[in-house]
Amino acid sequence: DAGVIQSPRHEVTEMGQEVTLRCKPISGHDYLFWYRQTMMRGLELLIYFNNNVPIDDSGMPEDRFSAKMPNASFSTLKIQPSEPRDSAVYFCASSLGGAGNTGANVLTFGAGSRLTVL
Amino acid sequence: AQSVAQPEDQVNVAEGNPLTVKCTYSVSGNPYLFWYVQYPNRGLQFLLKYITGDNLVKGSYGFEAEFNKSQTSFHLKKPSALVSDSALYFCAGPNNAGNMLTFGGGTRLMVKP
Repeated sequence: DAGVIQSPRHEVTEMGQEVTLRCKPISGHDYLFWYRQTMMRGLELLIYFNNNVPIDDSGMPEDRFSAKMPNASFSTLKIQPSEPRDSAVYFCASSLGGAGNTGANVLTFGAGSRLTVL
Repeated sequence: AQSVAQPEDQVNVAEGNPLTVKCTYSVSGNPYLFWYVQYPNRGLQFLLKYITGDNLVKGSYGFEAEFNKSQTSFHLKKPSALVSDSALYFCAGPNNAGNMLTFGGGTRLMVKP
């Protein structure tokens, strides 16, 4: 398996533009997670899906952020409109089985999408 | 509130010396705990995890971690550091609701030749 695949690896855009980040999880994994990493806030969980259904989106910072998982092999994280404070590295991760105390399952992370909003 | 904490932003160690990267947890009972490593411009990679049983867990690249219930700690250790071990290390554990994994703030390990 090629692992978790994220695109684009780098995105530079201007404030107000729409940004779409994409993720292909490992085949057969039933959980998908979106994290954001910044120097100030560290690694934050934005949203996670189980069997393509959003389970917890309490980490999504604002209504400008939305995430979808139309099928088991694809997910998107959209920011519209983007702002400079959205600049960060966004990671997608997948696992077979849940995380936390529902199961000590290992997350496999993608290489990340580095977003810069000017 | 985060369930795990990493008290050190950075740890410096000379190559060949033992290294310790600290992690404490605040979840009650016996939580699942993990260590992940992040190399520059890469995603996080799994190193090891504690579930139950033996308190000393061995993982990838010669790393190990000791679960200490009395001190609520899960420190990462390696007997002899390599320059290539220089990276960002994250401890992770369940959130208070027990339904997702949260990560500590990360500790940058610098191993100098």
